[in-house]
Amino acid sequence: QVQLRESGPGLMKPSETLSLTCTVSDDSITHDGYFWAWIRQPPGKGLEWIGSVHHIGSSYYNPSLKSRVIISIDTSKKQFSLKLNSATAADTAVYFCARRYRVTGNTGFGGYYFDSWGLGTLVTVS
Amino acid sequence: SFELTQPPSVSVSPGQTATITCSGDELEKKYTAWYQQKPGQSPVVVMYQDEKRPSGVPERFSGSSSENTATLTISGTQPMDEADYYCQAWDSSTDVVFGGGTKLTVL
Repeated sequence: QVQLRESGPGLMKPSETLSLTCTVSDDSITHDGYFWAWIRQPPGKGLEWIGSVHHIGSSYYNPSLKSRVIISIDTSKKQFSLKLNSATAADTAVYFCARRYRVTGNTGFGGYYFDSWGLGTLVTVS
Repeated sequence: SFELTQPPSVSVSPGQTATITCSGDELEKKYTAWYQQKPGQSPVVVMYQDEKRPSGVPERFSGSSSENTATLTISGTQPMDEADYYCQAWDSSTDVVFGGGTKLTVL
């Protein structure tokens, strides 16, 4: 079973760029059926999708964060990364990396869901 | 933009049926997934494609979707089911969307 592990600074100052890396334990990072995503959760609040990247390089972002976010992928290292610039206290959250699976079957497209998650890493902007 | 709405909280007695709803425009066409998150843990998928249960998820969990509402049902709710539950769907205009989450209390 695939494992994902987030890494990066846990504390940063306002206006700095938040940078996190997710390391994937197997070769599924190059599987066409998966996108690789960042999701965050402010303390005591709900989940917010940040964006996703595919191994061929295509990426998609939450419209509310799009102007500040870049998600990239390095398949040779089995890693994908998040950069969020101009951080503020509102970006304080647990950041999860996750694998998004495209459901297909006899009836065709069946949606997407996140089938594997990292443990999450708390990033505090202060 | 596409949004998903969940009740903030649901309470159920042990052994009874818990029903958690998720509402969104034409949600029936967007294939809902559901996640369970316990304190300090990562979310775990308990339902996908509206009604499909991943291996390892107890049979007491079931899902459905009709028109604008998706529903996660837990039959014979157990104390271990107490957790936050999030719905999630995909929309062509906004990509991935999560609901605000529902805190399920078993008391």
